[in-house]
Amino acid sequence: KQEVTQIPAALSVPEGENLVLNCSFTDSAIYNLQWFRQDPGKGLTSLLLIQSSQREQTSGRLNASLDKSSGRSTLYIAASQPGDSATYLCAVSTDKLIFGTGTRLQVFP
Amino acid sequence: EAEVAQSPRYKITEKSQAVAFWCDPISGHATLYWYRQILGQGPELLVQFQDESVVDDSQLPKDRFSAERLKGVDSTLKIQPAELGDSAMYLCASSLQDYGYTFGSGTRLTVV
Repeated sequence: KQEVTQIPAALSVPEGENLVLNCSFTDSAIYNLQWFRQDPGKGLTSLLLIQSSQREQTSGRLNASLDKSSGRSTLYIAASQPGDSATYLCAVSTDKLIFGTGTRLQVFP
Repeated sequence: EAEVAQSPRYKITEKSQAVAFWCDPISGHATLYWYRQILGQGPELLVQFQDESVVDDSQLPKDRFSAERLKGVDSTLKIQPAELGDSAMYLCASSLQDYGYTFGSGTRLTVV
């Protein structure tokens, strides 16, 4: 059974710091991995999608990497801003999308 | 940009009442999903449709939950009767092959 774990569960940093959020999964037979952002009480916004054949994807200040063999992905956020405060969820796609429990990020001015 | 539409955004209902949620996926997306997210946890799949057919409803509490997608487009998720433990965010998503999932804004259900 696929299990997805995210570390840390919560993170509080000052504005401007570079951050790394970690995601690990137990079964490397995935189609792709997707990172989402969720603001309190809101739905999920897709940030980055990494296909199983890819190693990384970049969008603006965000960079996500994927190492299927070790079952790991990282989301790198450069020069964090208070507007980045949210919960970040990673999810792996097999025959269904399985989520981790998320990392709750707070960036303070 | 195409969006997944969900309504209502918020719903408060009394225990034992019936409640229904609606979802309209992105046009052309054959696969539609309903997820439930309890506060502080990741979303969990309730039911997956491919066109109008149910592909996976193994985690759907079928004694009280039902889902349909009659014409293979929009979908309705119903709970009857609602219980206090059903309070959660209900999220709808759609996907097209390997292009990732797109989620709606969700329906926040509170059962009192």
